[in-house]
Formats: sequence, C-alpha cells, structure tokens
Amino acid sequence: DGGITQSPKYLFRKEGQNVTLSCEQNLNHDAMYWYRQDPGQGLRLIYYSQIVNDFQKGDIAEGYSVSREKKESFPLTVTSAQKNPTAFYLCASSPSWGRYNEQFFGPGTRLTVL
Amino acid sequence: ELKVEQNPLFLSMQEGKNYTIYCNYSTTSDRLYWYRQDPGKSLESLFVLLSNGAVKQEGRLMASLDTKARLSTLHITAAVHDLSATYFCAVVDNAGKSTFGDGTTLTVKP
Repeated sequence: DGGITQSPKYLFRKEGQNVTLSCEQNLNHDAMYWYRQDPGQGLRLIYYSQIVNDFQKGDIAEGYSVSREKKESFPLTVTSAQKNPTAFYLCASSPSWGRYNEQFFGPGTRLTVL
Repeated sequence: ELKVEQNPLFLSMQEGKNYTIYCNYSTTSDRLYWYRQDPGKSLESLFVLLSNGAVKQEGRLMASLDTKARLSTLHITAAVHDLSATYFCAVVDNAGKSTFGDGTTLTVKP
C-alpha cells in the first residue's frame, strides 16, 4: 500500500532532550512537509523540502531541524531549543512543489514534554 | 503574508439542519482545499477547488470557491452525527505554500 507513515505515534520528551520524529513515504513524491498543530488551532508549517537534499524553513522553524538525504524520508528533530514542543506533529508529501499539488498527510506523532 | 480566517470556529447543529462554514483569505489565490479531522487523527482531504466558481459535492457536503471575493464556503445539508469533526480550509499561494485556517469544530446533536 502506498502512503505516509510516521513514528512513533506517541513520544515523551524530558526537558533538555533532543528527539527525532520519523516520516517515510512510498508515493515517490518529491516534496515533503512538517506541520505543527496545537489544540484548537490550525496547522503551522515548520519546514518543507521541495526535492531531495534540499529544505527550507517554514513559519516556525526555530528549535527544529530536518534532513532530506533520501527521497522517501524527511525526519524532524525537536531540539532542546524548542521551549514549548508539546503538540501534534503532522508530516505531508505532494508529487512536487507548487500550486497544483495536493498534500497527503501521515497519521501524526503526538509529542509531550514531561 | 497570506491570512486565512474561518468562521464560525465552533458550530453546534441539530441533526437534519443546514449550515454553512466560511473561509476568507487575504491575497489572490485560485487553489483551496477542505480537510476533515477527527479527534486525535490526521487530516483527510475532502475537496480540491481549482478555479473561480468551482463547486464540488460529496454526500451532504458541498464546497464552492469565489476567488474574486476571496471566499470559500462549505455547506452542510441535513446534518447527521457522522459529520461531527473539525473542518479546515487551506489556501495555496502563488509560491506553492499552504496556509491553514484555525478550523471549525462541528458537533451534530440528535
């Protein structure tokens, strides 16, 4: 089955720890995205990648880092510099970057800071 | 900066009633998506609206786009409990970046 997988589903982080969220897609999509969702709010763009080995900051990139070494993988690291990381994180992909490409979403990772 | 505003943010309806959710946006765009999100779940694509005057219908939901007014509507006909969810609109700018509204949480009561 083609799709987007995210792991883990739930993640707990202690103060001062870095944690990495996994996102994998087998749709052969060029573009991938990371969003953050806080309760009662819409999605905010953290980072996006238009193509492998390239990525750009979104609206709220501070305290996060990403890599795009493989087309199918776009992991997100939440660093200790992110002071309020408790949120629901959604990964998405689209066939390519641009106005005419619908995004498809993974199931999400819920991160909680202890 | 593209801004997207949905209203209402919360909507409680009785089964069988009709209602409309509005999505206003601040800059020119002719590409808009509607998504549904169930509690604790990811986003499910409902409609893709590609041009001015576009209208799409699926079951009890109908979405439309007026690019001149910078407005999209999601109309609910004869609501049923299964439609209870949060609905998001997302507008794509000319650079390809999507901006989401804050969502409308719909509760359908018997």
